[in-house]
This record gives sequence, structure tokens and C-alpha cells, in this order.
Amino acid sequence: QLQLQESGPGLVKPSETLSLTCTVSGGSISSSSYYWGWIRQPPGKGLEWIGSIYYSGSTYYNPSLKSRVTISVDTSKNQFSLKLSSVTAADTAVYFCARLEVTIANWYFDLWGRGTLVTVSS
Amino acid sequence: SYVLTQPPSVSVAPGKTARITCGGKNIGSKSVHWYQQKPGQAPVLVIYYDSDRPSGIPERFSGSNSGNTATLTISRVEAGDEADYYCQVWDSSSDHVVFGGGTKLTVL
Repeated sequence: QLQLQESGPGLVKPSETLSLTCTVSGGSISSSSYYWGWIRQPPGKGLEWIGSIYYSGSTYYNPSLKSRVTISVDTSKNQFSLKLSSVTAADTAVYFCARLEVTIANWYFDLWGRGTLVTVSS
Repeated sequence: SYVLTQPPSVSVAPGKTARITCGGKNIGSKSVHWYQQKPGQAPVLVIYYDSDRPSGIPERFSGSNSGNTATLTISRVEAGDEADYYCQVWDSSSDHVVFGGGTKLTVL
């Protein structure tokens, strides 16, 4: 049974870079059928897509975050990672990693990690 | 960019039918996916491709999509259905994932 687990610092200082890793277990990140993505949820608010990556390294980013976001993949470790630079308090959120089922013109998240809270504060 | 509009809240009595809408320009031409999120938990996919149910999701959950509105319908609502529900599409014109703002379902 495939599982996703987020990991990384729970506290980041303003202006620094937030770094998170999602480890995929019970299956291969190199499956041709799926993309892998990051979604965040500020406290008490809705879901916001951050970006997605294919095992080949092809990426898609939310345009509102694109200038600060880098998503990468390490197939040898079965992991993908998120870096968000120049963070502010507005980046405080629960960050989820998830698997995306991808077909022509249809993307949806069929499996999610449990999420990790990242707080931006000095 | 493409916008999805959901009502902030919907209330329903146990045993009744809840309908949660998701509005978007010509959304009927897109595939809509729905997620259920309970407090402190990750979202769970409950409907994909407008009306398909993943394995393990009760038949009480159904979906439809036409014109400018997609609808998630929950029949015979139970207390355990109380949660936030989000619609989502893939906007192929801009290659972006778009979520609705979410609807809090309250079971009275």
C-alpha cells in the first residue's frame, strides 16, 4: 500500500527558505502514470496547489508562487522535495504532499500524505 | 485564471440529502473532482471525473456536472459526513490545478 510522508523543519524564520521532503513508500515514484505534488492549507483556510513534478523532472507551478518555488525529485531515494524562498508569515500553513493521477486534461489527487505544519516566525 | 466558487457552508439534517455546488465558467466542459476533509486530517478523494467513486467511498456520494455548475450530492446524510468539501479541476488552458474555496457541511 503506497504511502506518502512529509518531513522537514516545523519552524522557519522570515526571509529564509522553507524546505520539505516527501518520501514515497510501498511503490515507485518513477511510475509513468502519476505526477507528484505539493498543496498547502493556511490555518482555518482552504487548499492551495503549490506545484507538481513528474519523475523525469518536468514541473508545473502555481503562478502566484512560481517565482519562489522549486520542486525537485530524487528517484534513487523515492522522494520529491519543495523549496519555498523568502518566506513570510503568510506562508505559515500545513503542507501536504500527494500523488496525482494524470490523464489528458485531467489531474486529481488520489493519495495524500498526512501533512506537516510549517510556521514562519522569528 | 480559472475560478471555482463554492458556498461557504451547507447545513442538513441527518437522513436528508445535502447538495454542495461548485460554480465555474463552462465547468461542464471540464472534469470535476471532490475531496472531503475532516478536522486535523488530510483531504480524501470522494468523487473523480464528475461522478466516479473511488473504492471505499459509499454509494451515498454522487456527483454531476453541467453548464456552469458541478454538484456533489450526499444522500442519507450521517453525522460522520460532517466535514469540509473541496471541488477541484485541471485548467488545461493554463496548466494549473484549481481548488474551490471549500464548503463546510454541518449535520444538524
